[in-house]
Amino acid sequence: EVQLVESGGGLVQPGRSLRLSCAASGFTFDDYAMHWVRQAPGKGLEWVSGISWNSGSIGYADSVKGRFTISRDNAKNSLYLQMNSLRAEDTALYYCAKDKLVGAIGSGSFDYWGQGTLVTVSS
Amino acid sequence: DIQMTQSPSSLSASVGDRVTITCQASQDISNYLNWYQQKPGKAPKLLIYDASNLETGVPSRFSGSGSGTDFTFTISSLQPEDIATYYCQQYDNLPTFGPGTKVDIK
Repeated sequence: EVQLVESGGGLVQPGRSLRLSCAASGFTFDDYAMHWVRQAPGKGLEWVSGISWNSGSIGYADSVKGRFTISRDNAKNSLYLQMNSLRAEDTALYYCAKDKLVGAIGSGSFDYWGQGTLVTVSS
Repeated sequence: DIQMTQSPSSLSASVGDRVTITCQASQDISNYLNWYQQKPGKAPKLLIYDASNLETGVPSRFSGSGSGTDFTFTISSLQPEDIATYYCQQYDNLPTFGPGTKVDIK
């Protein structure tokens, strides 16, 4: 059974940093691209960032480019999101999501999702 | 960025009704279009990929069609468990989601 478990969320002041983690199990982690998708309270879904299976291809939404860094450790079956210079508008539930296609640089289709970790940016 | 629009933003229908949601892309995305279902307090679930392919385990009352810029999502016979918000999402370029359509039972 595929499982994605996010952690690392919490309350943080504007301008500070936070690092999210996603522990994956139930599939061959290093076969798939992985993504972060967020959802502000009461709002829709926003793709944040994606990383290919070998970290060779990485993409970011314009809203986080230059502030967030995605990474992965295939030996630990883990995905990360380093979030710097946080803003109030970054407040959201952050989901880790698995790409649907094996061996791809990332199709951008998300077939498994974690339950999310909540990030609140406020003074 | 490719912008996605959906209509309606919400709808209310009776059990057994046919429900249709439309999604439009700001440019040609071929068939690089997915549909997700999100129930309250839950993570989204992939229902339809590549515009018209049913994800494994998803009931056949759900379907999708379209290509280019215009897409349609249909529930052939609405069930109480289908109460959710439905999102389209393109992946021709960096992924973007539509604003969602909230479906309720009348």
